[in-house]
Amino acid sequence: GNSVTQMEGPVTLSEEAFLTINCTYTATGYPSLFWYVQYPGEGLQLLLKATKADDKGSNKGFEATYRKETTSFHLEKGSVQVSDSAVYFCALNTGNQFYFGTGTSLTVIP
Amino acid sequence: GAVVSQHPSRVICKSGTSVKIECRSLDFQATTMFWYRQFPKQSLMLMATSNEGSKATYEQGVEKDKFLINHASLTLSTLTVTSAHPEDSSFYICSARDLWRGDADTQYFGPGTRLTVL
Repeated sequence: GNSVTQMEGPVTLSEEAFLTINCTYTATGYPSLFWYVQYPGEGLQLLLKATKADDKGSNKGFEATYRKETTSFHLEKGSVQVSDSAVYFCALNTGNQFYFGTGTSLTVIP
Repeated sequence: GAVVSQHPSRVICKSGTSVKIECRSLDFQATTMFWYRQFPKQSLMLMATSNEGSKATYEQGVEKDKFLINHASLTLSTLTVTSAHPEDSSFYICSARDLWRGDADTQYFGPGTRLTVL
């Protein structure tokens, strides 16, 4: 079946630290992969996406590379800011349905 | 582009009453809309998928008579929680996609509606 597994949080980092949030997936076919971010009390915002193997999605300093060989789509940022504090969801779309990870809460402290 | 709004953002109601939540795509045509429910500190649970002009497809375990979904136009879908009870209290989020856009594989989410049933 299709599924997404994210590293469990919460994750707490100091400002300007390097961020990695791991995401692996199981899917039939060739899914599109996504990272969404949810700020407190809000809906999900699309952060970045990749539609095929070796594609790199990037936005606001975040990036993730679609690795088919390791079925992974890890989120990275070189220098986090306090404003990056949020919950991050990895997701895949098989064309018919979205599958979300459980979310990883990130807190960045000054 | 690809903005989705929801109204209301928060609603408090008495047990036994019905509540309607609206989801609108503001700058694109939403051929498909999705309704999710999110419990505190948890991921999203898909409740139903609706295509414009068709009946919604509900996920297993979701009561279609309790959660009425109408997708009457390409920019509006509504979720009505009928005879609400405290256990229906949750954060409800809608999303939309346009099959005719270049990014038809992407869902765009509304800001969510916090429902509290007393």
